[in-house]
Amino acid sequence: EVQLVQSGAEVKKPGESLKISCKGSGYSFTTYWIGWVRQMPGKGLEWMGIIYPGDSDTRYSPSFQGQVTISADKSISTAYLQWSSLKASDTAMYYCARSKLVGAFDAFDFWGQGTVVTVSS
Amino acid sequence: EIVLTQSPGTLSLSPGERATLSCRASQSVSSSYLAWYQQKPGLAPRLLIYRTSSRATGIPDRFSGSGSGTDFTLTISRLEPEDFAVYYCQQYGSSPWTFGQGTKVEIK
Repeated sequence: EVQLVQSGAEVKKPGESLKISCKGSGYSFTTYWIGWVRQMPGKGLEWMGIIYPGDSDTRYSPSFQGQVTISADKSISTAYLQWSSLKASDTAMYYCARSKLVGAFDAFDFWGQGTVVTVSS
Repeated sequence: EIVLTQSPGTLSLSPGERATLSCRASQSVSSSYLAWYQQKPGLAPRLLIYRTSSRATGIPDRFSGSGSGTDFTLTISRLEPEDFAVYYCQQYGSSPWTFGQGTKVEIK
């Protein structure tokens, strides 16, 4: 069974750093692209970026380029999303999701349960 | 960046009725790489349709997708109580992938 399990909720202060995780299981982690999607409170879905764990090829949305870093550790089948200096506007739910087709861009067929990040002084 | 505009913002319908949701792209979507997702409160989105018209695994046949170029449609032939939710379209033909702003299907 394919599963993406995300790390737990985080409460941080502005300026702090954070790294959240997404662990894949039940499939070949290195051969499917993994993406990250933001959903701010009461708002829609925003595509942040995507990584191919096999070689760490990464693409970012221009809206998020330079604001976050996406990485992966294929040895433990885990993708990451990190911030070096959080802002209050980073408060949101963050989802990881798997691209449907092996080795290629496709729709997201499996999603993590989401990680809530709250940034408040 | 391809901007996706969904309409209407909210659709008020009764169970058993037909729902037609629209997604318009600011430029042609490459290879019809257009998907539809359903999201219920407190849950992650669920893939319904990919490649414009292919149903994802386990999705009932009352859901269908159509369209090409810049105009795409999700149709729910007969609304079931569990279909009331928010629906998003997404294009993944060119980077950055983008989502529409969503259409809420609510009970009338």
